[in-house]
Amino acid sequence: GAGVSQSPSNKVTEKGKDVELRCDPISGHTALYWYRQSLGQGLEFLIYFQGNSAPDKSGLPSDRFSAERTGGSVSTLTIQRTQQEDSAVYLCASSLAGTGVAQPQHFGDGTRLSIL
Amino acid sequence: AQSVTQPDIHITVSEGASLELRCNYSYGATPYLFWYVQSPGQGLQLLLKYFSGDTLVQGIKGFEAEFKRSQSSFNLRKPSVHWSDAAEYFCAVETGRRALTFGSGTRLQVQP
Repeated sequence: GAGVSQSPSNKVTEKGKDVELRCDPISGHTALYWYRQSLGQGLEFLIYFQGNSAPDKSGLPSDRFSAERTGGSVSTLTIQRTQQEDSAVYLCASSLAGTGVAQPQHFGDGTRLSIL
Repeated sequence: AQSVTQPDIHITVSEGASLELRCNYSYGATPYLFWYVQSPGQGLQLLLKYFSGDTLVQGIKGFEAEFKRSQSSFNLRKPSVHWSDAAEYFCAVETGRRALTFGSGTRLQVQP
């Protein structure tokens, strides 16, 4: 089957605009993660969805960031009123549900976001 | 809080030479440990993982890693490096809250 799919692969937008990034996880994976990769901060966890449970939003850097996961599958990460420091590669990953044992996360190729 | 240290930012090796990339973690118990590789413009590919049991784990592309509890280390090794191994390598830990904590990465350059 297909891997984790992210779109768009590249996004350039002006400061202050809102952006939406999409992630389509591997079929059957109930866990979905968003990470951000930037030069200054490395790879940072943003948010984690597991099935119908409340998401773990502890990594979101500000209230301008939000994410949804509809129907337990596709997820959208939204950044409102973008700032230049939001420029980064946003990576999505998915995994099977862990049952007491960690399941490896499988990553998409990311969306490269550039804020002008 | 857990942390991961990759002390080498950049390593250059000759093709055919052996490779060892270092990774140290800080966590009160034994975490789940991973190595990922990232080629330019691409996402992260899982090389190998350690959950429990045998402390020497084998991965894809001829890589292996050894978990040493006494040293809080999980170093990645390969006996003979190929030019296609040039990429950035990330060590990561998971400590039960599911999210991965990554090291800062080691960029590997392979000389012909």
